[in-house]
Amino acid sequence: AQSVTQPDIHITVSEGASLELRCNYSYGATPYLFWYVQSPGQGLQLLLKYFSGDTLVQGIKGFEAEFKRSQSSFNLRKPSVHWSDAAEYFCAVGAVGNNDMRFGAGTRLTVKP
Amino acid sequence: NAGVTQTPKFQVLKTGQSMTLQCAQDMNHEYMSWYRQDPGMGLRLIHYSVGAGITDQGEVPNGYNVSRSTTEDFPLRLLSAAPSQTSVYFCASSYVRTSSGANVLTFGAGSRLTVL
Repeated sequence: AQSVTQPDIHITVSEGASLELRCNYSYGATPYLFWYVQSPGQGLQLLLKYFSGDTLVQGIKGFEAEFKRSQSSFNLRKPSVHWSDAAEYFCAVGAVGNNDMRFGAGTRLTVKP
Repeated sequence: NAGVTQTPKFQVLKTGQSMTLQCAQDMNHEYMSWYRQDPGMGLRLIHYSVGAGITDQGEVPNGYNVSRSTTEDFPLRLLSAAPSQTSVYFCASSYVRTSSGANVLTFGAGSRLTVL
């Protein structure tokens, strides 16, 4: 089955600074890749997804992610972080041909004023 | 359009008690699933269903039962609760097939369960 690793449990950045959250996946074929965000006490909201085509995908709230097949990575980036971006971020991988989705352990983002 | 509705939001059980977490969606999604979220472990898939009458196990199915009698509802049953089942539970749904080829999950707000 597919799996996801998010190496950073907790990241702190200053407001206005750039952000990169790392995600590595394991899957034997072309994966479907997702980033979700979870605000405290809330469910998960989709930020962006990669199915095929352009390896740089744009999402909501100014986020983008780049699929790098050679590195099995799908890192999430934002050029300038806002205080409202403080949340937990989950990378997920879906398998082609079935509905099984696997999530990483999450990265908690703290934004300093 | 309510999306995915989970009840209850909070529940405290004693070891050995049984209960059912309810999940309902009004988007006519074929696929429904249950995840549990534990600190440092992300979301782990418990059970899922691709349509009425069809269910399958995920990563951590032990101790949980599901059934899917209608498209809208996908209840999760704990037959004999254990402290290890203390967690936050999320129900999620999606279409089985989209034009883009895979599922985009819509999540409920979660149900926090404590087993004493």
